Amino acid sequence: DTGVSQNPRHKITKRGQNVTFRCDPISEHNRLYWYRQTLGQGPEFLTYFQNEAQLEKSRLLSDRFSAERPKGSFSTLEIQRTEQGDSAMYLCASTGDSAYEQYFGPGTRLTVT
Amino acid sequence: DQQVKQNSPSLSVQEGRISILNCDYTNSMFDYFLWYKKYPAEGPTFLISISSIKDKNEDGRFTVFLNKSAKHLSLHIVPSQPGDSAVYFCAGADGGSQGNLIFGKGTKLSVKP
Repeated sequence: DTGVSQNPRHKITKRGQNVTFRCDPISEHNRLYWYRQTLGQGPEFLTYFQNEAQLEKSRLLSDRFSAERPKGSFSTLEIQRTEQGDSAMYLCASTGDSAYEQYFGPGTRLTVT
Repeated sequence: DQQVKQNSPSLSVQEGRISILNCDYTNSMFDYFLWYKKYPAEGPTFLISISSIKDKNEDGRFTVFLNKSAKHLSLHIVPSQPGDSAVYFCAGADGGSQGNLIFGKGTKLSVKP
């Protein structure tokens, strides 16, 4: 088992551009979570999938954000028309039976210039 | 309003001594609590958890204590080792949620040889 992987690890983009991040969870995990972490803060929940169904979304997830998990395996998080305030670390986590003991990937650090 | 508070941004401890990291919460609906450890450039790693029906959980050098009446939990590391130097996040979960973890801002622990 190779753990949760995220790509890319770093992304620098100009304001107004669209970006997409990918998360590959641990293979047998059916639950997948996206979090955002800014400097000096803990991770903040964005959205949750059980298999391919998106079951919960935070109010942090504005309409510029969209997440998918088309076949219940990997997931993508897209941010449209990026803003400087979107600069953060985007973390993906997965889990199986326990909803709480989540395994995190290394994150994608987004810098919007 | 912060639901999970870690009031000490940093803590420095001598190797071999006890490290005590504290966490307070305000949400009475939390019924599960977790501690995560984070090294630079890595995602958070699950360390230990406790259900609200317990007041103590121990795993090797790590013990978590929960005081529900005070809405307070603490993580004890005995003995502390230099490899324990990391940022520690406390998180709470509402049993009615789907695993949406609410994190504190973290405490940076430095264990000096």
